[in-house]
Amino acid sequence: DAKTTQPPSMDCAEGRAANLPCNHSTISGNEYVYWYRQIHSQGPQYIIHGLKNNETNEMASLIITEDRKSSTLILPHATLRDTAVYYCIVRVNQGGKLIFGQGTELSVKP
Amino acid sequence: NAGVTQTPKFQVLKTGQSMTLQCAQDMNHEYMSWYRQDPGMGLRLIHYSVGAGITDQGEVPNGYNVSRSTTEDFPLRLLSAAPSQTSVYFCASSYRGWTEAFFGQGTRLTVV
Repeated sequence: DAKTTQPPSMDCAEGRAANLPCNHSTISGNEYVYWYRQIHSQGPQYIIHGLKNNETNEMASLIITEDRKSSTLILPHATLRDTAVYYCIVRVNQGGKLIFGQGTELSVKP
Repeated sequence: NAGVTQTPKFQVLKTGQSMTLQCAQDMNHEYMSWYRQDPGMGLRLIHYSVGAGITDQGEVPNGYNVSRSTTEDFPLRLLSAAPSQTSVYFCASSYRGWTEAFFGQGTRLTVV
């Protein structure tokens, strides 16, 4: 599975959009981009995933660049409850392993 | 539906003791995994299973055993606990391919 690089921490003002970047320059053609988040002390929570098209659901939007070497998770209107560690994972959509990296610690501030 | 249920939520062991962390899911998921998370660190994969009777090692398998005799249950066994195994343990399950994984609330284990 391709390696990802994320900034260790970010701040965002409440009510503003939070844009979390992820670099995955070695991604292969059959690898998907997944995003999870972990709110303090809880189990991780799935957010969204995509292959090459932009994706949107009730939680977030995922923007993948045309060359697929990077992506951005967008939380359109961040709230204090969005404060969490956000993990970007790149993997094929099969197989038994789901490996987490270090993630980005997002702090949403009033 | 209960989702992914882990028991116990908290446990204190003495060095050398054995115990089993329980994980059960009621979503008929094929895939299940165990992770550990040390303070300030990310999750590290211990063992995983892609179906009943099938298990494999993850990133940090040493000191842990697993088995998968049913689809619903995936217990994690510590045969001889060590202080280095003090951690928070998370169990996860998913349909085939880990498209959307569901996690339990964790077991906080302290080995003294």
